[in-house]
Amino acid sequence: YVLTQPPSVSVAPGQTATITCGGKNIGNKIIHWYQQKAGQAPVLVIFDNTERPAGAPERISGSNSGNTATLTISRVEAGDEADYYCQLWDGFTDHFVFGTGTKVTVL
Amino acid sequence: QEQLVESGGGVVQPGGSLRLSCAASGINFTYFSMNWVRQAPGKGLEWVAFILSDASNRYHADSVKGRFTISRDNSKSTLYLQMNSLRPGDTALYYCTRSYPADGSYYRRRFDAWGQGTLVTVSS
Repeated sequence: YVLTQPPSVSVAPGQTATITCGGKNIGNKIIHWYQQKAGQAPVLVIFDNTERPAGAPERISGSNSGNTATLTISRVEAGDEADYYCQLWDGFTDHFVFGTGTKVTVL
Repeated sequence: QEQLVESGGGVVQPGGSLRLSCAASGINFTYFSMNWVRQAPGKGLEWVAFILSDASNRYHADSVKGRFTISRDNSKSTLYLQMNSLRPGDTALYYCTRSYPADGSYYRRRFDAWGQGTLVTVSS
C-alpha cells in the first residue's frame, strides 16, 4: 500500500496549512500523523484519523475520507515548521506503512 | 519518565553484521509491542520490524526480510535488531518505537514513544 504526500507545503504565519495523504480508499483505513522537527525524533500529533494525543496543540486536526486523509494546522506558527508523515497498518502485507513525508515551511 | 535508549550503531563494511539494542524504562515494556523504524540521511521514515509483547509474532519489512531479525528480552526490558548481510542502502538512523495500544486491532496501533536513534553506516 502506498501513501502519497506532497513533498512540500509553504504557508505564511497565521494562515492554515493543509497536508494531504493519498491512498486508494484510504477513507476506510485508520491514519496516524507524526511531526518531525529538524534533528529530532518524530512525535505523534494525530491518531485514529482525528484524535489528538495529550499535549498536541488544538490547532492541529485530522480528517479522512475517500482517497485522501488530511492534516490541518490552523494559525500556523514558526514552531510548526517540520516534516509531517502519515502512517497506517496494511493488513494485506502485515506491514506498517509511512507516507512519503511533507516538509512544511513557514514563510 | 518514559525512555527508550538505542545503542549499538556504528560503521560497518558491506556484508557485515551489527546488533542494535534499545533499553526501555518507564513504559511498561513487557506489556507493549515494539518496532524498529529507520530514516536514511535526508530521507523519510521507513518501518523495519515489529514484535508482539510476548514475541509470539513478528513482522519484517520486505527490504530487510531474511537479513534482519527483531527480538526482545522482557526480563531486561530490552529490544534488539540483529542485522546481517548489511548493504550501503541500510545506512540510516534506527529508531526504537513503542506501538500503542497494547492490544486490539493492529490498525489502531501507532508509534507513541520514540528513542533518539542510533546511526548505522554501511561503507567500505
